[in-house]
Amino acid sequence: DQQVKQNSPSLSVQEGRISILNCDYTNSMFDYFLWYKKYPAEGPTFLISISSIKDKNEDGRFTVFLNKSAKHLSLHIVPSQPGDSAVYFCAAGPLNTGNQFYFGTGTSLTVIP
Amino acid sequence: EAQVTQNPRYLITVTGKKLTVTCSQNMNHEYMSWYRQDPGLGLRQIYYSMNVEVTDKGDVPEGYKVSRKEKRNFPLILESPSPNQTSLYFCASTTGRGTEAFFGQGTRLTVV
Repeated sequence: DQQVKQNSPSLSVQEGRISILNCDYTNSMFDYFLWYKKYPAEGPTFLISISSIKDKNEDGRFTVFLNKSAKHLSLHIVPSQPGDSAVYFCAAGPLNTGNQFYFGTGTSLTVIP
Repeated sequence: EAQVTQNPRYLITVTGKKLTVTCSQNMNHEYMSWYRQDPGLGLRQIYYSMNVEVTDKGDVPEGYKVSRKEKRNFPLILESPSPNQTSLYFCASTTGRGTEAFFGQGTRLTVV
């Protein structure tokens, strides 16, 4: 049973506009959330994270929002750039289990120049 | 340069022939994990290790073994590979709980 879900397999956005990637989780014990970015033929690379004590975390063009009551998080990229075209994975887990994190199925983002 | 190195990058093998995929990290990380990526299923954790000689099962451990004899190395062993283990495999390491993982470049395994 998938504990972390990314229901949009793909997303296309015009350059300069906002990209919003969504992620839902089912386990209320999860208290740490991360986004990873993956280019073809490479391993995932860390993008941004948020703990359950916050509802927002920003890093440059990337902002992650967490809605604990809805068990939902989203990644906003503003403005989107062609180099952002990649697969984005959401990951979630409880902090006290020694790094046993669960990943979503990924959303492939295409930013159109 | 901080990195996680997996070998080989590509491997085609036959059913039942034992193989090992190596993983090494140069960041002195305590935590290491193995994942497999399959279409429509995302990344699923196979095994993880919290330190030398400490390993535990992830979500999909069946058919795999691991060992952690040294901090830097975390090999993945398939004693008797089967076609359903055809997948893209990633090794990852982290400094500790809740911190981001550093991933290797992946090993594409095909079992025929």
